Parts: sequence; structure tokens; C-alpha cells
Amino acid sequence: EPEVTQTPSHQVTQMGQEVILRCVPISNHLYFYWYRQILGQKVEFLVSFYNNEISEKSEIFDDQFSVERPDGSNFTLKIRSTKLEDSAMYFCASSGARDYGYTFGSGTRLTVV
Amino acid sequence: GIQVEQSPPDLILQEGANSTLRCNFSDSVNNLQWFHQNPWGQLINLFYIPSGTKQNGRLSATTVATERYSLLYISSSQTTDSGVYFCAVTNTGNQFYFGTGTSLTVIP
Repeated sequence: EPEVTQTPSHQVTQMGQEVILRCVPISNHLYFYWYRQILGQKVEFLVSFYNNEISEKSEIFDDQFSVERPDGSNFTLKIRSTKLEDSAMYFCASSGARDYGYTFGSGTRLTVV
Repeated sequence: GIQVEQSPPDLILQEGANSTLRCNFSDSVNNLQWFHQNPWGQLINLFYIPSGTKQNGRLSATTVATERYSLLYISSSQTTDSGVYFCAVTNTGNQFYFGTGTSLTVIP
């Protein structure tokens, strides 16, 4: 079964550093998403991306965050100047159509120290 | 956004027992999915079920969209079923709204 692949599985970074989280969506999918889950809390939407542009973003997704599809296979989330409260599990997801099911990746656990 | 409530918040079962998890949502939706988050934090898709009933092995799910709820049934539970079960819904396709989850512990 096709998978969404995320790397790295765990990243530790110092406060103030920039991190890039990487995702390889399912190859024929067109819609891409990032979500995050702070430990012990529910999963929250960050951003959706279609046709090389952001289609929707949440209040969490401020100027500190950016997304990019640098080539035909990767989808990245960049967090500039990380803060302690950015520590969370970050999930990438993709979908073949807007009203169809999502497939989530296994997540990247980001720890900011 | 859409409010999603899941019940019960916590559930402890003896291995072999059956259970029903419930998800209520506050608005009409065009997509609903059930996920299992395992102890390593991975989100595993269980069902894409905007309406109707589906079964996959010991798991089945039913969504009654007109009454804004969905049920996840787990039969003959096993210790590997432990984890958190999330319901997530959307009415735009852009953003899923997740519930707070049901934490299931299956004891041998």
C-alpha cells in the first residue's frame, strides 16, 4: 500500500535554530497538508497546499512557518527561529482529491531545547 | 470550525472484550476518518467513512451523517489495539478537525 514518508523521525534542535521537516507524499496525490500534535493534545491543522500554493492555513501557521514543494516528489515544512513551544509531533498528509481520504505519514518528533 | 467530541475519553478492556467508541460532530461533513495512534505516535488510517458502514477484520465503523455521529466497533480486542483512537472530520477538504481521542488500554 502506498505510504507517505517523513524524515527524520526525530529531530532535536536548539532554540532559535531553523529546521526543515521533509515529506514524500504518495506519488499521484495532488493535495498536501501539515498537522502538528503537541504532546498529550489533539492533532491540529497547520496548512494545506495545492497547485504549488497554500490553499488554507491556520492561525498557528504564522510567519515563522513556510512550506515548499521544491521538486516533483518532496514537500517540506520550514520552521524559522524555533521556540520551545514548537516541540511537537509534525505530521504530513496527502490526498488524491479534496473530498477523499487522507494518508498520514508516521510523523517527525521535533524537540526544541 | 467543526467541534468534534469523542467518548469515552479513556477505556480499559480485558483482552477479548468488545467496545464501541463514539464520535459526535457539530456540523455536516463530507469526509470522516478514524485513526489509531500507536504508542510510537504514528497515525494509522483505519477507515474513510463519510457515511454508511464498513468492516475490516475485527474493526467496523458506522457513520450516520444526518445525525452527526460515527461509531467505531472493536471486537475481540487484543493488546496491540491499545493506543489512542481519533475521529477527524472535514466539510471543505482543506482542513480536518480532530477530536480529543479515546485512549484505549487492553490488558491481557
